Amino acid sequence: DAGITQSPRHKVTETGTPVTLRCHQTENHRYMYWYRQDPGHGLRLIHYSYGVKDTDKGEVSDGYSVSRSKTEDFLLTLESATSSQTSVYFCAISPSLHEQFFGPGTRLTVL
Amino acid sequence: SQQGEEDPQALSIQEGENATMNCSYKTSINNLQWYRQNSGRGLVHLILIRSNEREKHSGRLRVTLDTSKKSSSLLITASRAADTASYFCATVASGGSYIPTFGRGTSLIVHP
Repeated sequence: DAGITQSPRHKVTETGTPVTLRCHQTENHRYMYWYRQDPGHGLRLIHYSYGVKDTDKGEVSDGYSVSRSKTEDFLLTLESATSSQTSVYFCAISPSLHEQFFGPGTRLTVL
Repeated sequence: SQQGEEDPQALSIQEGENATMNCSYKTSINNLQWYRQNSGRGLVHLILIRSNEREKHSGRLRVTLDTSKKSSSLLITASRAADTASYFCATVASGGSYIPTFGRGTSLIVHP
C-alpha cells in the first residue's frame, strides 16, 4: 500500500446522498483506476484515468463519476448513492499499463 | 465480464504442500498477471508473464502460460500458513486498452 492512500477507509451513508471517495498517490504514476469488489464478482473496473483530466469508463460505470485535476488525486463520486453500490472500493495506480499497485480499500455501506 | 476465470474457487492444504491454481481466459492476451489479496487488504502484484513466455519463476512461485489452451497456472511450492490469501489472475488483452481484467479469484487456506 506504500505510496497510495484512500479516504475514507469506512463510510456508512443513506440512500440518495452524494458520496466522494478519494485516492491519493505519491508515486507520480500516470494511470489511476477505481474498482469495486463484491462477493461472486471479483474485481470490476469502474473508471480509469490516463492523465490529468483524461478519464474513461470501465465495465460498471453507471451511477459513478470521476475527476482528476491533479496527478496525485483521483476522486470517485456517487451522485446519489443506492444500496447496490454497497461494496469495497479499491484504487490502483500504474506507471506503465502493466502491473498495478492497489490501495487499502474503502468499505462503503449504503443503507 | 471477467476475462480470466480461476479454478478451483477454493483450495485447502497443509503447510509444506504445493498449491496449484489455474486460470482460463477467452481472447488473445498481451500478458497475464497474478495477484494476491490478504483478507481486508488491497491486491498485491506477484508476477507478470508475457504472451511469448511459457514459464516464469519468482521465489516459491512458478507461473506457466499455454496460449494454445488459453490457460495459466500458478504453483506455490512448500506452502506456508502466511500464503493463506485469495489469488487472482488478470489478463491484458492484445490490441485493447491494456487494462487488466480480473477473475473472481481462488481462496487458498494453508493449515499449519
